[in-house]
Amino acid sequence: SQTIHQWPATLVQPVGSPLSLECTVEGTSNPNLYWYRQAAGRGLQLLFYSVGIGQISSEVPQNLSASRPQDRQFILSSKKLLLSDSGFYLCAWSAQGRPGELFFGEGSRLTVL
Amino acid sequence: AQSVTQLGSHVSVSEGALVLLRCNYSSSVPPYLFWYVQYPNQGLQLLLKYTTGATLVKGINGFEAEFKKSETSFHLTKPSAHMSDAAEYFCAVSTTGRRALTFGSGTRLQVQP
Repeated sequence: SQTIHQWPATLVQPVGSPLSLECTVEGTSNPNLYWYRQAAGRGLQLLFYSVGIGQISSEVPQNLSASRPQDRQFILSSKKLLLSDSGFYLCAWSAQGRPGELFFGEGSRLTVL
Repeated sequence: AQSVTQLGSHVSVSEGALVLLRCNYSSSVPPYLFWYVQYPNQGLQLLLKYTTGATLVKGINGFEAEFKKSETSFHLTKPSAHMSDAAEYFCAVSTTGRRALTFGSGTRLQVQP
């Protein structure tokens, strides 16, 4: 069966520090991968999605970047965090040919102080 | 462009009562529609989906939703609420040409004993 792992689960970082959140998927190949951010009362905002290694689409201009160095690995990064980067970050995957049927990780809660 | 509007950020029902969570969408092409559920500090889980075919779709945990094209709606219902249904529910839309989901802002369901 397929599983998705996301870490760290919680993170407290000072403003201006770097960020790295990692997500891996097991039990499937060539998945579509996504990073969403969830702010309180504002639903989920799509940040990045990837349809293959090295292929990243950014949905909104921001302080964050994403990379996909391996087929089932998706990394969210920042060189210098802002207060506004605080939130709950969710990684998800979907199978090719099944648009919208996403499987989510457990999330990473980032607090920037 | 596509969008989703969830009417009511908070809904409270008594245990055993009908659950009705409202969702309206906007899409210039035939949509794929989804409902997801999120329990506190967890990722999202797919409840049900509409892609094509029968407009009344059944999901997990006794939930169902009906696609009404004329009303551009996809409301979620459950005949009898259970305490374990307390969670946040998200409606989402996608289309064949777009791999990523667009989510509504969510509805928090409370179930009173």
